[in-house]
Amino acid sequence: AQTVTQSQPEMSVQEAETVTLSCTYDTSESDYYLFWYKQPPSRQMILVIRQEAYKQQNATENRFSVNFQKAAKSFSLKISDSQLGDAAMYFCAYRSGDSWGKLQFGAGTQVVVTP
Amino acid sequence: DGGITQSPKYLFRKEGQNVTLSCEQNLNHDAMYWYRQDPGQGLRLIYYSQIVNDFQKGDIAEGYSVSREKKESFPLTVTSAQKNPTAFYLCASRCSGSFSGELFFGEGSRLTVL
Repeated sequence: AQTVTQSQPEMSVQEAETVTLSCTYDTSESDYYLFWYKQPPSRQMILVIRQEAYKQQNATENRFSVNFQKAAKSFSLKISDSQLGDAAMYFCAYRSGDSWGKLQFGAGTQVVVTP
Repeated sequence: DGGITQSPKYLFRKEGQNVTLSCEQNLNHDAMYWYRQDPGQGLRLIYYSQIVNDFQKGDIAEGYSVSREKKESFPLTVTSAQKNPTAFYLCASRCSGSFSGELFFGEGSRLTVL
């Protein structure tokens, strides 16, 4: 079974600064997808960014970017120019290529943004 | 607006009672999922359904049951057999045409057993 590990329970960042969240995963598959979801205090999960394993290029969505290291099985999220609205729990998730949308989630990293 | 509606947002239950959480989506998605969230554990899959009248157990199905009689609806029943039902429950759906398979989530339901 695949496992997803987020080793940072909490990260603090000042407004306008950059923070990087780490995620590692364990799999023997070559076809899979990786995601970062954000869960603000409202508790609704919001997709931040996705990465297909077959793509070497790192995904980017505005201020959010990933560093995908397939050989190291690492998938970190970088939040640039942090804003107060970025404060949330962030979850890394893995989906096997044939698993019909079943996501395996990490335990989450709480991001605190200070003025 | 298209989305996923979960109800109720908050629910209290006495021990020994069954309770049903509602999940409705108007996104025309084929697949639907129920996840449980506990502090420090991320989300764990309870049940999922790829099409109407079909569903499969996830990683922690014991003490739960579901039905999928309509494409739009995927209710979850927490039975008295569930030993520790107090948790936050999230329903999600996925468009079958989605290549990467990301899920869209509802706002969740908080169940507390008294």
